[in-house]
Amino acid sequence: RKEVEQDPGPFNVPEGATVAFNCTYSNSASQSFFWYRQDCRKEPKLLMSVYSSGNEDGRFTAQLNRASQYISLLIRDSKLSDSATYLCVVTSTGTASKLTFGTGTRLQVTL
Amino acid sequence: DTEVTQTPKHLVMGMTNKKSLKCEQHMGHRAMYWYKQKAKKPPELMFVYSYEKLSINESVPSRFSPECPNSSLLNLHLHALQPEDSALYLCASSHPGGGNTGELFFGEGSRLTVL
Repeated sequence: RKEVEQDPGPFNVPEGATVAFNCTYSNSASQSFFWYRQDCRKEPKLLMSVYSSGNEDGRFTAQLNRASQYISLLIRDSKLSDSATYLCVVTSTGTASKLTFGTGTRLQVTL
Repeated sequence: DTEVTQTPKHLVMGMTNKKSLKCEQHMGHRAMYWYKQKAKKPPELMFVYSYEKLSINESVPSRFSPECPNSSLLNLHLHALQPEDSALYLCASSHPGGGNTGELFFGEGSRLTVL
């Protein structure tokens, strides 16, 4: 089983739609959780951290469920510019510098 | 624009060549990373340097040799590579313990083709 798993998609949604991605992780000792965004042929960039209490940044909401070992990302009112690959990232206890990336979920927002 | 600079952006090399990838950052970060990314796959960690010392080597073959000459520079020396080593090589930096904040700053990558 992969350490961090995501549905690769693609998710094809119209502009204005709400879309949700899930991510599961296998190491129950995982400490920190993040969503990164990667545009085609570009480098990954941090989108947001994920906290146990859930957190929101504009149209983006991230949630963590430690009991079920999954993380979610909700995007409301999708824009064309949201089209990208969304990478779930997890760090493990004792290896604070080791970020493990999920396989990524590709989102395509259309007119 | 990214504050982590990687050179060259593209590199084509034969299996007997020796080449190097270079990475530079001036953000005062003391942790630097090499990741390898194949098409449609996530980045895979190769090496981590913390305070200029190698702290993580993810069982990378010895044909890849990292070097951190100072706190701003990170090199990846390549020798006797195989065609399957063709990939995008991403350098990143962060504050030490960057894993806890999750903020890795990536360069644009060096796209390597091994013939």
